[in-house]
Amino acid sequence: AIRMTQSPSSFSASTGDRVTITCRASQGISSYLAWYQLKPGKAPKLLIYAASSLQSGVPSRFSGSGSGTDFTLTISFLQSEDFATYYCQQYFSYPFTFGPGTKVDIK
Amino acid sequence: QVQLVQSGAEVKRPGASVKVSCKASGYTFTSNYLHWVRQAPGQGLEWMGLINPSGGITTYAQKFQGRVTMTRDTSTSTVSMELSSLRSEDTAVYYCARGAVAGYSDSWGQGTLVTVSS
Repeated sequence: AIRMTQSPSSFSASTGDRVTITCRASQGISSYLAWYQLKPGKAPKLLIYAASSLQSGVPSRFSGSGSGTDFTLTISFLQSEDFATYYCQQYFSYPFTFGPGTKVDIK
Repeated sequence: QVQLVQSGAEVKRPGASVKVSCKASGYTFTSNYLHWVRQAPGQGLEWMGLINPSGGITTYAQKFQGRVTMTRDTSTSTVSMELSSLRSEDTAVYYCARGAVAGYSDSWGQGTLVTVSS
């Protein structure tokens, strides 16, 4: 199975900050990578697919980049509703593994 | 709009089985795979497998092979996930999620809490 890692595992930020989360795959996955946002008590929300494509309805302050093994999720101007945990997922091959998550909380 | 509505919370004894259902609406049921993902307390997301509602073909993560069964009922646009031989580590919120053609999940159910406790 492809192993996904994320860094950092958690960090504190302020509204208005630019934040970047990194995701790395244990082998090349081309651009078969998605990013999800998860808040307590709510279903996961798809943010980015195909590494850099913004899901319909997701604010443009979210962006993704990368291919192969290294990927990033950037939030250009952090809003209060963005404090959450973010997961990457590869869908290059079964099983479709997730990263361990990155928790973004309020500084 | 796409909606996935899951069945309610369950409490089970170790060794028992649980069946969680997921009713789809707002799109053509047989056009998209449905995935099952779980999140144990304080843990991350874990992909369990998927079912193709069109032919009923399934793919399971090796970790769950032999313990999980995913089925579909096209007459009610419902998929179900049954997990057997439950242990305390199976306590989690279980989600169904619609798969886009490429494989990522673009719509999710509200989640079903399964608690395994003696």
